[in-house]
Amino acid sequence: NAGVMQNPRHLVRRRGQEARLRCSPMKGHSHVYWYRQLPEEGLKFMVYLQKENIIDESGMPKERFSAEFPKEGPSILRIQQVVRGDSAAYFCASSPSVRRSGSGNEQFFGPGTRLTVL
Amino acid sequence: GQQVMQIPQYQHVQEGEDFTTYCNSSTTLSNIQWYKQRPGGHPVFLIQLVKSGEVKKQKRLTFQFGEAKKNSSLHITATQTTDVGTYFCAGQGEGGSEKLVFGKGTKLTVNP
Repeated sequence: NAGVMQNPRHLVRRRGQEARLRCSPMKGHSHVYWYRQLPEEGLKFMVYLQKENIIDESGMPKERFSAEFPKEGPSILRIQQVVRGDSAAYFCASSPSVRRSGSGNEQFFGPGTRLTVL
Repeated sequence: GQQVMQIPQYQHVQEGEDFTTYCNSSTTLSNIQWYKQRPGGHPVFLIQLVKSGEVKKQKRLTFQFGEAKKNSSLHITATQTTDVGTYFCAGQGEGGSEKLVFGKGTKLTVNP
């Protein structure tokens, strides 16, 4: 059973360009989460999606960032007009759809995309 | 909003010594999860605690969830070099939200 896949693993962009990060969840998982991690920092929640729906985007910057999880294909995190401050590791995680009351679903993380903005 | 504090930020031990990291949430949690991230790697799920006062063990690792469901700890007995990495706690708030709020992690280094 393949794990969460992310590509590209490394992405270099110049200021003002667009960055597209892709995430394929584990088979059977319908919940996808995106996190950003700066060096020596924890993971900061960005957005939570289910198929074709954004459930919680409270961690997403209001401008330049968007996410989608279409019916077919991977989830995409899109950053328009990148700036140097966008340089970070972006992790995607997935979890199965069913959870018992009170408990949470463990999240399975992908290997991450390291974005460098020159 | 919900905040999760974790201390210490760094811990350096000699192989064989014990290690503990502490996690404290600003709000009552539905559950707390612990993850380990090796250098250059991605977070890997270790365990989830749900019940007030819960204690779980995994070999040399002991996880506790406080009575008020606002704090947690991870204790490693007799550390080994394979324990090196950053340990994160992540809390899920009450109210059914799937959102996990991560602490900043404790980076553990072990001297052989």
